[in-house]
Amino acid sequence: DTAVSQTPKYLVTQMGNDKSIKCEQNLGHDTMYWYKQDSKKFLKIMFSYNNKELIINETVPNRFSPKSPDKAHLNLHINSLELGDSAVYFCASSPPVTDTQYFGPGTRLTVL
Amino acid sequence: GNSVTQMEGPVTLSEEAFLTINCTYTATGYPSLFWYVQYPGEGLQLLLKATKADDKGSNKGFEATYRKETTSFHLEKGSVQVSDSAVYFCALSEAAGNKLTFGGGTRVLVKP
Repeated sequence: DTAVSQTPKYLVTQMGNDKSIKCEQNLGHDTMYWYKQDSKKFLKIMFSYNNKELIINETVPNRFSPKSPDKAHLNLHINSLELGDSAVYFCASSPPVTDTQYFGPGTRLTVL
Repeated sequence: GNSVTQMEGPVTLSEEAFLTINCTYTATGYPSLFWYVQYPGEGLQLLLKATKADDKGSNKGFEATYRKETTSFHLEKGSVQVSDSAVYFCALSEAAGNKLTFGGGTRVLVKP
């Protein structure tokens, strides 16, 4: 009965490749987010979607493209991976009328 | 824009010691304030929150009081355990569905 799940948990790939990370929430929340945590543990918002509509896009390179097929899923596709993309990516969701966000376990991406 | 500043770690304590992690914020409105905890190798878990001035959030022996006059939300625990070893993040949100703005995280290590 995982609330917010992400796949894969670990992703190791070569520079220049294209990869996707998937996120699903079974909490019935309307809003979903992607955050990036760098090697110094600093967390920053990348995107948010509300009912499949893009709400926040925080100066993220065009190589990153989120897709929300329905309000329970928010996937992150990354083209032409670079070394600097190595990080832990967290998905989160929140219900309407509250600002509490619930996080997934994270996906550790390593670009070689 | 909004920002959150928290004390840099690592903070090293002995079991049963008193823990304080300072957090101050800058925001244009009246944000909700949060503490999240990240245990080794895991995702972020909500530890506690406060939504308005003078509110006190508490959970698992941790407490933090929303101080508007000093724009602070310091985290305290009276007697830490080894299992409290983790990275603690202070964060704010301006509104429901809005992004979380995080501090840099404070690593806490509790030794037996």
